[in-house]
Amino acid sequence: KAGVTQTPRYLIKTRGQQVTLSCSPISGHRSVSWYQQTPGQGLQFLFEYFSETQRNKGNFPGRFSGRQFSNSRSEMNVSTLELGDSALYLCASAPDGSFGYTFGSGTRLTVV
Amino acid sequence: GENVEQHPSTLSVQEGDSAVIKCTYSDSASNYFPWYKQELGKRPQLIIDIRSNVGEKKDQRIAVTLNKTAKHFSLHITETQPEDSAVYFCASYTGGGNKLTFGTGTQLKVEL
Repeated sequence: KAGVTQTPRYLIKTRGQQVTLSCSPISGHRSVSWYQQTPGQGLQFLFEYFSETQRNKGNFPGRFSGRQFSNSRSEMNVSTLELGDSALYLCASAPDGSFGYTFGSGTRLTVV
Repeated sequence: GENVEQHPSTLSVQEGDSAVIKCTYSDSASNYFPWYKQELGKRPQLIIDIRSNVGEKKDQRIAVTLNKTAKHFSLHITETQPEDSAVYFCASYTGGGNKLTFGTGTQLKVEL
C-alpha cells in the first residue's frame, strides 16, 4: 500500500514568486491536511480538505491556498513568497471516520 | 481555539531509564490525543493515541495517560533505547473536520 506522496521534495524560490506543492494521499483516503513545520513554531495547521471541500482553515494569510481534486490529490499554493515562508510543508491523509493521520515526507521550501 | 502546551522541550536520559513527556490542552471538548515521533529528516509517525473515554493505554514500552479533569496527558517510555531518540509531538483533536493542534515538540536524547 503506497503511502502519502509529496512532490517535489525540495524547492528553492525567490521572494515574490509563487509555488505549488502537490500531495497524493493513501488510496481511499478522502481527508487531506496540510501543515507548516518550522523549528520555532512546530507544526502549524494550514487547511484540511475532504471530498474537494475545505473543511478547516488555519490562521495563515490569504497568500496560502489549496484545493483538492476528485481523485483526492491535493495542491497547496503560496503566492508572493516571503523569506518567512521557508519551512517544511507536510501533507497528511486520513481514512473516513478516523483521526489517524499518515504524513508524507514533506516538501522543503527555501525562499531566498 | 485549542492550545496545546508541551514540556519539556528537551529531555536527555540514560539508556534503560524512563522518559516522560507532558502536554496540557485548553479545550474541554477535545476528545482524541495522538503522539507522533519524528526522527531527524523523516516524517512524523503516529506511535500511540488515546481517546477521551480511556484513562490509559499501553503498547509495549510506550504508554499514554489522560487526565480529563486536569486537561493533561502524558507519554511514558520505559527502558529507553538509542533508537527512541527523536522529536516527539503531542496533539489534540477537538472536532469539525480533521484538524489536530500540535504541541511544540520534545527533543528526546537517549544516551549510552
